[in-house]
Amino acid sequence: DTAVSQTPKYLVTQMGNDKSIKCEQNLGHDTMYWYKQDSKKFLKIMFSYNNKELIINETVPNRFSPKSPDKAHLNLHINSLELGDSAVYFCASSLTGTTDTQYFGPGTRLTVL
Amino acid sequence: SQQGEEDPQALSIQEGENATMNCSYKTSINNLQWYRQNSGRGLVHLILIRSNEREKHSGRLRVTLDTSKKSSSLLITASRAADTASYFCATDKGFGNEKLTFGTGTRLTIIP
Repeated sequence: DTAVSQTPKYLVTQMGNDKSIKCEQNLGHDTMYWYKQDSKKFLKIMFSYNNKELIINETVPNRFSPKSPDKAHLNLHINSLELGDSAVYFCASSLTGTTDTQYFGPGTRLTVL
Repeated sequence: SQQGEEDPQALSIQEGENATMNCSYKTSINNLQWYRQNSGRGLVHLILIRSNEREKHSGRLRVTLDTSKKSSSLLITASRAADTASYFCATDKGFGNEKLTFGTGTRLTIIP
């Protein structure tokens, strides 16, 4: 069974559209994350949730809105997509906090045309 | 600004040789972790070293940490083709500022 899963794996969309990426973990972890990896492979934290509570919110445009319906799920909704949003988005989870080992999903490659 | 920088950016070696990658960071840390990313995949945790540790081993991996120089190295011994991947260091500061900050990565290619 996949520990951290994301859907979809690929997402191609037009500028201005709204899209969502879903993430689920079956590890029983308390903390989940969203990262963005750009074309130069630079990986940066976007959000972190612990037991459905937002604990890290980096300087991300408010077009990005995470939602955690329960501690096993963390979804990412993006409004009014821009060209610069094209990247690979990774979901991850860890048992308690950031200092624990993080388990990453396979990534969602978002291409905005 | 980026916390960690890996050196070299890319490394190609023959299978069976040892590979060494370095990571430098700018501010005091709580823990340092190394992750591997195969092409088109998510990151996989390799090893964690705490700020009060100097060296750690896991199988063919050896990690050192020098907090006075703010640097860490990852040594992979007896490399295999399957080790071909990008390797990232990641640091956290602990104490309420626990986000993981990733380095720029080293692209390792093992030539069979």
